[in-house]
Amino acid sequence: DTGVSQDPRHKITKRGQNVTFRCDPISEHNRLYWYRQTLGQGPEFLTYFQNEAQLEKSRLLSDRFSAERPKGSFSTLEIQRTEQGDSAMYLCASSSQSQGAIEQFFGPGTRLTVL
Amino acid sequence: DQQVKQNSPSLSVQEGRISILNCDYTNSMFDYFLWYKKYPAEGPTFLISISSIKDKNEDGRFTVFLNKSAKHLSLHIVPSQPGDSAVYFCAATPGGGNKLTFGTGTQLKVEL
Repeated sequence: DTGVSQDPRHKITKRGQNVTFRCDPISEHNRLYWYRQTLGQGPEFLTYFQNEAQLEKSRLLSDRFSAERPKGSFSTLEIQRTEQGDSAMYLCASSSQSQGAIEQFFGPGTRLTVL
Repeated sequence: DQQVKQNSPSLSVQEGRISILNCDYTNSMFDYFLWYKKYPAEGPTFLISISSIKDKNEDGRFTVFLNKSAKHLSLHIVPSQPGDSAVYFCAATPGGGNKLTFGTGTQLKVEL
């Protein structure tokens, strides 16, 4: 399978705990995006990387959130001191700059439930 | 500030008929528009896109129409099939690898 993969698919945690999600993009894609989706809404942009550089962060990304893409391949999204309002589907997407394409290809998402 | 709007939360059509999903946007900086389909417990799947220099793009059963002056686009699915039942999201971007701004989605149900 050469699509975008995310791990874990589901995460249940208690309020105040830290969680980390991983995304593996399509191998030749140099751009990687994180989005968050809540019930009844479309995905909302969080941040994006071109190779290992984090180029844009949404104001939705509070200081409890941090994302990395250390070697320009996989990425991690960490949420510290989780709150119930963090419960959502976290989606990762990738795209290729070199092909000039605008389409972003999404992974299956990680569903986070904060109790 | 909802820059991309899908005003119909749901749509029901009969198998074989045409499905028309609508989307409006407010940001004049958007240059590319995309449609995604989403099944429950899966990520969005890219369907079709259109550049602002075009007014129509077709791919098999899917056609997207863009009316730039009205800031409106629509997705036509002909003929509709039961497997098309899903949530459809309209998205827009200024292009160049920028973020996508999504609408709230339309739940399409294709009935036998």
